[in-house]
Amino acid sequence: RKEVEQDPGPFNVPEGATVAFNCTYSNSASQSFFWYRQDCRKEPKLLMSVYSSGNEDGRFTAQLNRASQYISLLIRDSKLSDSATYLCVVNTDDMRFGAGTRLTVKP
Amino acid sequence: GAGVSQSPSNKVTEKGKDVELRCDPISGHTALYWYRQSLGQGLEFLIYFQGNSAPDKSGLPSDRFSAERTGGSVSTLTIQRTQQEDSAVYLCASSLGKGGNQPQHFGDGTRLSIL
Repeated sequence: RKEVEQDPGPFNVPEGATVAFNCTYSNSASQSFFWYRQDCRKEPKLLMSVYSSGNEDGRFTAQLNRASQYISLLIRDSKLSDSATYLCVVNTDDMRFGAGTRLTVKP
Repeated sequence: GAGVSQSPSNKVTEKGKDVELRCDPISGHTALYWYRQSLGQGLEFLIYFQGNSAPDKSGLPSDRFSAERTGGSVSTLTIQRTQQEDSAVYLCASSLGKGGNQPQHFGDGTRLSIL
């Protein structure tokens, strides 16, 4: 089993749609969690951290379920500019990245 | 600059040659990571440095790959006797340290092409 697994995607959604990504992790000792965004041919960039109580940043909501060992990212009112690959990151002794889920938002 | 700096940004070389890729992390960041990303694929972990501890080399794909981090700052990834399957983007990231809520910050990467 991979340490971090994500929905394979791709997700193709119309503008304004709500889309959710899930990510599961195998190590229950994992300490911190992040979502990164990677545009085509660019480096990954931090989108948001994921806190135990759940957290929101504008149209983006991240949640953590330690009991089930998964994290999620919800994007509301999606924009064309949200098109990218979203990477789930889990930090145990070091950072482990999921393979990413590709999102395309269409007009 | 304030970010992670990698050089060169692009490298084209012939099969069998050795290459060196450089990463200059954000000042004060004790953790440094190297990843490899092939076109359309996810990030492949290569090696991790944390302060003065022995590096985690568990991701290096073969003994042709090695990395150093001198003085706890700049790191060099060396690939000896390059093969065509080594073609990829090599990404370096740094963070304030392991554990806790310490996200990684990435450089722009080195795009390596082996002819």
